[in-house]
Amino acid sequence: ILNVEQSPQSLHVQEGDSTNFTCSFPSSNFYALHWYRWETAKSPEALFVMTLNGDEKKKGRISATLNTKEGYSYLYIKGSQPEDSATYLCASRQTGANNLFFGTGTRLTVIP
Amino acid sequence: ETGVTQTPRHLVMGMTNKKSLKCEQHLGHNAMYWYKQSAKKPLELMFVYSLEERVENNSVPSRFSPECPNSSHLFLHLHTLQPEDSALYLCASSQERGARTGELFFGEGSRLTVL
Repeated sequence: ILNVEQSPQSLHVQEGDSTNFTCSFPSSNFYALHWYRWETAKSPEALFVMTLNGDEKKKGRISATLNTKEGYSYLYIKGSQPEDSATYLCASRQTGANNLFFGTGTRLTVIP
Repeated sequence: ETGVTQTPRHLVMGMTNKKSLKCEQHLGHNAMYWYKQSAKKPLELMFVYSLEERVENNSVPSRFSPECPNSSHLFLHLHTLQPEDSALYLCASSQERGARTGELFFGEGSRLTVL
């Protein structure tokens, strides 16, 4: 079992604020890091899959960075909107392992 | 049409009942998964099927019995469950098991309550 930690556990921000949260994972034998967005009563959807140290990915107002040497990834949301309210999950995979291990998620609430 | 469909969305059962959860994927993927989501815990991998063959069983009690009759369908048969088995059960699929950039495609989950 891989220990993947996310912080904070929950977060409330005002509409228009920018925010970020963290995913920490073991840096040894790193293979891939996934971010998923999970809206209430819907299915988790992949946002990003990152594999290389220094990777930066962007989708609209959401972006993510990856540091495999120190074992962390940041997810940034610029100008949060109410529709960004969701739980954001990260998951890590090690080399030689076939499975993804998930963190407990960061629950974001954007207040209009 | 969503790529991964789960039924039923909600299920209430007694400890002596037998029921099944169904998952169907329309994405042409070769790997399918059952995950368990309990409150304040990470998603827990239960079973993995790759090309219709079970390749992983993460120490799941035998009261949970998976079945994969073909690459598009996955079932989770439930019998003599315990109240602590109440959780959200998520099905997922991916193009291949273990591919480096292979993202998971999830269903919306089946919320199970065991009385």
